[in-house]
Amino acid sequence: QQQVKQSPQSLIVQKGGISIINCAYENTAFDYFPWYQQFPGKGPALLIAIRPDVSEKKEGRFTISFNKSAKQFSLHIMDSQPGDSATYFCAAGAFGNEKLTFGTGTRLTIIP
Amino acid sequence: DAGITQSPRHKVTETGTPVTLRCHQTENHRYMYWYRQDPGHGLRLIHYSYGVKDTDKGEVSDGYSVSRSKTEDFLLTLESATSSQTSVYFCAISESIFGMGYGYTFGSGTRLTVV
Repeated sequence: QQQVKQSPQSLIVQKGGISIINCAYENTAFDYFPWYQQFPGKGPALLIAIRPDVSEKKEGRFTISFNKSAKQFSLHIMDSQPGDSATYFCAAGAFGNEKLTFGTGTRLTIIP
Repeated sequence: DAGITQSPRHKVTETGTPVTLRCHQTENHRYMYWYRQDPGHGLRLIHYSYGVKDTDKGEVSDGYSVSRSKTEDFLLTLESATSSQTSVYFCAISESIFGMGYGYTFGSGTRLTVV
């Protein structure tokens, strides 16, 4: 049973553009939403995370937007660069519970 | 850095043979996880452990077993390898991120090919 739905599966964006990846969840107990970035041949690494007491969190060119009523959250990458080309996973967890539920991943390619 | 190492990094094995993958951590984390990653399926949880000799199944546990006899080591065994178990396997630990929740740190992965 997939509890976190991620889209799109793949995304191609021109350099300098905005990359947007969306996730939706069902379990209302989730209250922690991290994003992971994975480069080829490497394990995923924590990129940015948000809790639902805020609607947006920004770190450099990366922003998470969160819509609690719609049970959706998204990752925006501003001024996308070729070095951002990677697979991105959204995830969700319940505070105090160590297990995370992952989305299926988005393969992002930034073209010059 | 949580200091997670996986071994081997690459392995080719024959159908029907048993295979054991090892995950070693250096920071005494309680929870450890084994995932497999396949195109179109993302990360799927195989088994996890919440302490020495305390393990539980994930969503794709059939054909796999695990053991954790020491805090630092979490072993994944394919009892009789099949071609459908060709995949990249990742080990992870979870650690608290202040004010947020638990974040995972992943190992570098083991690429397993069953021929």
